[in-house]
Amino acid sequence: QQQVKQSPQSLIVQKGGISIINCAYENTAFDYFPWYQQFPGKGPALLIAIRPDVSEKKEGRFTISFNKSAKQFSLHIMDSQPGDSATYFCAASIIGTYKYIFGTGTRLKVLA
Amino acid sequence: GAGVSQSPSNKVTEKGKDVELRCDPISGHTALYWYRQSLGQGLEFLIYFQGNSAPDKSGLPSDRFSAERTGGSVSTLTIQRTQQEDSAVYLCASSSPGTSGGYNEQFFGPGTRLTVL
Repeated sequence: QQQVKQSPQSLIVQKGGISIINCAYENTAFDYFPWYQQFPGKGPALLIAIRPDVSEKKEGRFTISFNKSAKQFSLHIMDSQPGDSATYFCAASIIGTYKYIFGTGTRLKVLA
Repeated sequence: GAGVSQSPSNKVTEKGKDVELRCDPISGHTALYWYRQSLGQGLEFLIYFQGNSAPDKSGLPSDRFSAERTGGSVSTLTIQRTQQEDSAVYLCASSSPGTSGGYNEQFFGPGTRLTVL
């Protein structure tokens, strides 16, 4: 019940295309869902996050869509660029607690 | 530098040797985490320190793994009698719980790549 399932494991997208990464969770107590972006040789960094009281959050080309009833959330990268090539991790947590449950990661490659 | 730093960046060791990995968190961050990232795997939680509270060691995979945090700042992760399956990137993160509305954003270091031959 503590797992966060992430798919796909890897993704190749043409420049200008839309990248979509999906995550699903079981624990309905989770109320904070961040996405982290990791470039090779670097640690993950917070990209965008959402709470379940909204269905969508947009920051620039990055959008989180959240479906509370389905217990799913997804990251959409619009107009994907080669510089977006990285590994993306979704996570789930309970606000006020310390532990994040991370997905297994998606390696995104955007072709020039 | 205001970020989390880790050393060494790379460590190659022989099976059976002990290794120590170091993490310097962001100044003022009271919470510190260790994670393990294996090839093709997600971020595996290892241990969590928060202030003077007892650490959460629930993620340590075996008693060969231990960690300490001195003076509420620097942390050392020790792996004794290393095995080949210990080969991974070990990431450290720090956060400041209670700020940012309880969202507890974690700031990661660049990691230490451990290779056990």
